[in-house]
This record gives sequence, structure tokens and C-alpha cells, in this order.
Amino acid sequence: DTGVSQNPRHKITKRGQNVTFRCDPISEHNRLYWYRQTLGQGPEFLTYFQNEAQLEKSRLLSDRFSAERPKGSFSTLEIQRTEQGDSAMYLCASSLGTGKGSGNTIYFGEGSWLTVV
Amino acid sequence: SQKIEQNSEALNIQEGKTATLTCNYTNYSPAYLQWYRQDPGRGPVFLLLIRENEKEKRKERLKVTFDTTLKQSLFHITASQPADSATYLCARVNTGFQKLVFGTGTRLLVSP
Repeated sequence: DTGVSQNPRHKITKRGQNVTFRCDPISEHNRLYWYRQTLGQGPEFLTYFQNEAQLEKSRLLSDRFSAERPKGSFSTLEIQRTEQGDSAMYLCASSLGTGKGSGNTIYFGEGSWLTVV
Repeated sequence: SQKIEQNSEALNIQEGKTATLTCNYTNYSPAYLQWYRQDPGRGPVFLLLIRENEKEKRKERLKVTFDTTLKQSLFHITASQPADSATYLCARVNTGFQKLVFGTGTRLLVSP
């Protein structure tokens, strides 16, 4: 088991461009999460999937953001028309989602750093 | 609003001492609290989970307490080592484990 994998690890883009991040969760994990983290802050919840269904979205996820998990395995997070305020680390996480205590340990990837210039 | 508050100032201690980090919550009682470690440029790593009906949880040199009266969780690292230097994040978890709400984290610096 290689853990949660995120690509690319770093992305520098010009304002107005679109970017896409990919997340490969731990195999057999049915839950997948996206978080955003800026310097000096804790991660902030963006969205959550149970298998392929997107069950919750934060109000932080504006209409320029879209996340998909088409086959219930990997997920993509796309940001359209990037703005400088989108610069942050985008974290993906996954869990087994048993609904019981420690069985729900959430494992994070190493993050994808986005810099919008 | 339902907030998680952690001391944003770094905690500096000497090797061998016990580090104690604080997590306070307001306006609600979380079903669970989780503690994570985060190194610079890396994703958070899960350390411990404690339920609201548990007073204390231990794992090796780590201990977490949950005081629902004070609305506070304390995170202790005994016999601290320079390798323990990192940012420690507290997060509340909803009952269904669909979402974590994190504090800002407290940076711990352990000097040799």
C-alpha cells in the first residue's frame, strides 16, 4: 500500500489558466476528501466523496472549482480561471468509511502546491 | 460558529521535557477529536483519536485528554525529542466522519 498519492506536487500557473490535480486514494478506501491549506492555517474542507458520489461541498468551493471521482477510485480537482487567491496547498485524503471510530482514520496525501502568478 | 482554537504561538521546550499543547472548542460538543502531526511541506499524519466519552487516550509517548466541561483537549508528548519538532493540528470530527474541522495548529520546537 503506497498511501494517498497526489500529482503534480507543485504547479505554477498564470492567472486565468485552468489547473487540474489528481488524487489516487489508498486502494479499498471508499471515502475521498479534498482540503485546502494556506500558510499558517489548518486544512479547510472542500468536498467529500463516498465512492463516486459527491456528497458534500463546502461554500469555499466556488463555481470555478469542480471535483470528480468517476469510477469511485481516483479523483480530480479542477480549478478554472485561476486567481491569485487560489494559491494554496490542495490536500487529498481517503478513509475506509466504516462509520465506526478508529476505522475512519483519515489518511492524507502529501499535497499539491499551487502558485498562481 | 463552531470553532477549534489552538495557540498560534510556537512552543519551545528542551529535549526530555513534556510538551503540552492545547485545543479549545466553542459552541458545541464534538463527538470526536483527532490530533495530527504536520511537517513543513507535507500532509498531516494522523496520531490519535479520542471520543467525547473518553477522558484519556495514550499511544507510546503521546497522551490526549478530552475535558467536556472545560471544552478542551490537551495533547502531551513525554520525553520529547528534537524529532518531535513539527506542527500539531487538532481537529473535530462529526459523528459520520465525513468532515474534519481543523484548528490553525501549534508549532512545537524541541531543542537538544
